[in-house]
Amino acid sequence: DAGVIQSPRHEVTEMGQEVTLRCKPISGHDYLFWYRQTMMRGLELLIYFNNNVPIDDSGMPEDRFSAKMPNASFSTLKIQPSEPRDSAVYFCASSLGGVGIKQFFGPGTRLTVL
Amino acid sequence: GENVEQHPSTLSVQEGDSAVIKCTYSDSASNYFPWYKQELGKRPQLIIDIRSNVGEKKDQRIAVTLNKTAKHFSLHITETQPEDSAVYFCAVQGGGADGLTFGKGTHLIIQP
Repeated sequence: DAGVIQSPRHEVTEMGQEVTLRCKPISGHDYLFWYRQTMMRGLELLIYFNNNVPIDDSGMPEDRFSAKMPNASFSTLKIQPSEPRDSAVYFCASSLGGVGIKQFFGPGTRLTVL
Repeated sequence: GENVEQHPSTLSVQEGDSAVIKCTYSDSASNYFPWYKQELGKRPQLIIDIRSNVGEKKDQRIAVTLNKTAKHFSLHITETQPEDSAVYFCAVQGGGADGLTFGKGTHLIIQP
């Protein structure tokens, strides 16, 4: 299995631009999570899906952030418009099952907003 | 929401010695406690986990202990080696939430 796949691996953009991050979970997994990692705030959960349905988006920082999962093999996290404080590493993770089940992390997307 | 405290933030030990990292949490309904290791520029990797019906779990040089009454759990690494140098994160899950709440991390440095 290829594991969780994320693209792009690095993204540099200018303030105000739209940014789209992509994730392909492990085949067969029914949970997908988006996390953000910064030095100041550490690793924090943004949103997660179960069977393509958003379950908890309370971690999404503001309306500029949106996430979708149109099918079981693809999810996007969009930031519009982007701001310098959005600079972080964004990780996608997936699992087969919810509580008590190992989450597998993707390699992450390093986002820099100038 | 859940609050996870992790200590220490940095830990330096001599190669061959043991290392202990501690975490406390706030939600007594939490029932899954994984530990992740993250090397510089890499993704978090699960190294061991424990569920609330177990008090201790061991995997070779790594062990985790859980005290649900006190709401704290610890990671123990024995016979540390240079490749153990990394940032270690504790996490908590449960109480109706499927996402992980992470501690702030411990930078473990193994001195040769």
